[in-house]
Amino acid sequence: AQSVTQPDIHITVSEGASLELRCNYSYGATPYLFWYVQSPGQGLQLLLKYFSGDTLVQGIKGFEAEFKRSQSSFNLRKPSVHWSDAAEYFCAVGPNQAGTALIFGKGTTLSVSS
Amino acid sequence: DAGITQSPRYKITETGRQVTLMCHQTWSHSYMFWYRQDLGHGLRLIYYSAAADITDKGEVPDGYVVSRSKTENFPLTLESATRSQTSVYFCASSESTVEKLFFGSGTQLSVL
Repeated sequence: AQSVTQPDIHITVSEGASLELRCNYSYGATPYLFWYVQSPGQGLQLLLKYFSGDTLVQGIKGFEAEFKRSQSSFNLRKPSVHWSDAAEYFCAVGPNQAGTALIFGKGTTLSVSS
Repeated sequence: DAGITQSPRYKITETGRQVTLMCHQTWSHSYMFWYRQDLGHGLRLIYYSAAADITDKGEVPDGYVVSRSKTENFPLTLESATRSQTSVYFCASSESTVEKLFFGSGTQLSVL
């Protein structure tokens, strides 16, 4: 069955430091992969997505992610974190076996220290 | 205004009561989804709909009912609310199965 694992529940990064959030997936075919961000009290917003082609994808707000098929990973990175990046980040894979919906990981909460 | 709106924003109810959460989107997206978000579980799919009058179960459908008589609306009903249904509920829509999901702002439901 399809699944998504985000190994880190909570990460704290200093402002200006680099960031990497991990995501591992289990999927029987070529996956569609997504990263969403959720600010406190808000719905989720798409950061970036991978369907095919170049394995390094660029997203909004200076984020990027790299698809590594051999490692079943889709890690999110940012070279320099800003305080406004503090939020919860969700990795998602899809569609599910029914062919319709995304499967989300449990999320990683990012705190940014000054 | 264009977008996806959920109502109410906050709801407190008692066990055994029926509660309906509303979701409305203005894009005429074919697909609509209901997720619940709980600490330690992330987002779990409750129900989804591929078009008007077509709905299907997700990962955690028990205790919930949905309908979709119009493309733009996708209400979620808790027929007899239980404490375990205390959660934040998100509605989302998309044009296709793997396109970007557009999320509402959520409904925070407390069942006492």
